[in-house]
This record gives sequence, structure tokens and C-alpha cells, in this order.
Amino acid sequence: DAKTTQPNSMESNEEEPVHLPCNHSTISGTDYIHWYRQLPSQGPEYVIHGLTSNVNNRMASLAIAEDRKSSTLILHRATLRDAAVYYCILKRETSGSRLTFGEGTQLTVNP
Amino acid sequence: GAVVSQHPSRVICKSGTSVKIECRSLDFQATTMFWYRQFPKQSLMLMATSNEGSKATYEQGVEKDKFLINHASLTLSTLTVTSAHPEDSSFYICSAISGDRGTGNTIYFGEGSWLTVV
Repeated sequence: DAKTTQPNSMESNEEEPVHLPCNHSTISGTDYIHWYRQLPSQGPEYVIHGLTSNVNNRMASLAIAEDRKSSTLILHRATLRDAAVYYCILKRETSGSRLTFGEGTQLTVNP
Repeated sequence: GAVVSQHPSRVICKSGTSVKIECRSLDFQATTMFWYRQFPKQSLMLMATSNEGSKATYEQGVEKDKFLINHASLTLSTLTVTSAHPEDSSFYICSAISGDRGTGNTIYFGEGSWLTVV
């Protein structure tokens, strides 16, 4: 599976936007970019996914670079409930849709 | 939306005994489910792929005789930790795919099950 690289941790203030980066320079043409987040002692929660175009949903926005070698998860207004580990994952059909998790980014939101 | 449920959420068992964890897809059928293990402060590690009606596919280094997986129906997969030892204490998480095959489909995760072996 193609590898992703994320910063270990990031901090944000409540009510401010947060941009979580992810590098995936070895991404292939059929890899979808998925983002999940995990709160303490819970299973991961789906956030958003995309292929080439930027995506928006009620939780976040996903900005994908034109060469697809990087992407950014955008939380428009961080809340304390957004404090979690955020995982950027490439999902490939040939791997049977299994997900390989990296270390993720621990997001801390300050009140 | 699609929901994946695990049971029990927490279990304590004695060393040497076996414990079963269930993973259910509540409002969709899942031909494939996945089992992960997560130690404190670490990321999720894929253990095996559970296939309905056939044998599970285990990741390298995961003992298939110790972690028995059964996927008897399209909505239920079970993970049995046999002859559990304290080092098996961990957070076990399952996931399932909703919808038809395709890389764009969403994977949903269960709430996780904490196993403590004493």
C-alpha cells in the first residue's frame, strides 16, 4: 500500500480553522484519499474522502493537490470535540479495500 | 447511516481462557469485514480480513490458531482470542464496507472492544 506522511501533532484554538496536511507522493491513479479520525477509546470515524477534486461535507473539506501527491483536511471552525487523532489513508481496490493506518496526527484544540 | 456494532465493549478474562468478540453490521450486508488491534498510544494494526463463507486472510505475523475468525453470515463476524495471555490485552476494532465494491465506498468501524487479560 502507498504510504502517507503526516505531522505527529498539531494544535489549534477553538473556533479557528485547522489545516491538517498529508503527503502521499507514491499515490497511484486508482487510490482514493480517505480521512478518518479517532477519539480516545473509540473506533475510527469516517471524515471525508476524495479522488481528484476537492470535496466538502458537513464535517470538513478536503483539498487535493493537482498532482495528487498531497492533500489537506480542513476543519473550518475547530471545536473541543474535534480533538482526536486524524488519519490520512490511501485506499486501493487491488488491496481488497483494506486500510493501512499510519501514525496519524494528534490534534489538540485549545479553549 | 451505516452502523457497525461490537460486543462486548469491555471484557476481562483470566489468562488461559478464550474470549469471543462480535462484530455486526446493523443495516447493511458486509461480505468483507476487517479486524484490527490497537495498543495504547499506537496506531491500528490490521490483523485479518474476514470473508463471509470462507476462511479469513491473516496478516503476516498474526497467529491464525490464536485469533480465530468466523464470518458465518453477511452481518456477523466473530474474533475469538484463544488461550489469552496478558500480552493479548488490547483494543480490538472491526470494520465493514457498506455498499458495492469500489474504492470510493466508505468503511465503517465498530466502537471497539477493550480486552484485559489478568
